[in-house]
Amino acid sequence: GAGVSQSPRYKVAKRGQDVALRCDPISGHVSLFWYQQALGQGPEFLTYFQNEAQLDKSGLPSDRFFAERPEGSVSTLKIQRTQQEDSAVYLCASSSLDRGSNSPLHFGNGTRLTVT
Amino acid sequence: DQQVKQNSPSLSVQEGRISILNCDYTNSMFDYFLWYKKYPAEGPTFLISISSIKDKNEDGRFTVFLNKSAKHLSLHIVPSQPGDSAVYFCAASYNDMRFGAGTRLTVKP
Repeated sequence: GAGVSQSPRYKVAKRGQDVALRCDPISGHVSLFWYQQALGQGPEFLTYFQNEAQLDKSGLPSDRFFAERPEGSVSTLKIQRTQQEDSAVYLCASSSLDRGSNSPLHFGNGTRLTVT
Repeated sequence: DQQVKQNSPSLSVQEGRISILNCDYTNSMFDYFLWYKKYPAEGPTFLISISSIKDKNEDGRFTVFLNKSAKHLSLHIVPSQPGDSAVYFCAASYNDMRFGAGTRLTVKP
């Protein structure tokens, strides 16, 4: 497809479970971002990749969160030992340019995570 | 810290009239500003942007105005259509892209 693809669309996890969220960016896009969107809020930055390099992970809320993009295309956001406060929509976005270039991000439809 | 603020959570407008959505920011380092539109169960979709060297950018029915001295931008939609009903996010960038909390626009037929 031409857009950013995320899977699964919905995920329900019991508290304490580990989850893995996948993002398939637009082909050839060098920049990949993960955002977390809580209900009624705007997207909050989590982490940034330039190709396979994770250049910024300052937004990850705890060491239970980590992300990877080993071959510079598909990325996975993993959350260990999920907590109720992790419930949110996780958005992936990509761009053909480096972060800081004046260009819009292209978002996927997100994964809605509900932790029970 | 909320560096990008949208103080109106909702706005209701009659079809054919102008919709004005507002956004304020605090960080003077921001040099690129965007508006995104979001429908339920979809990701945000880019709508229009403006660089800090401009004060206006127009694309069809959509115009974004930037007032750097007031650290304020606005999105005008003229004429508003029912299909414009969505949540609109303001975003600002200089390295990171920061988003406001969104304004839900309802355009009534």
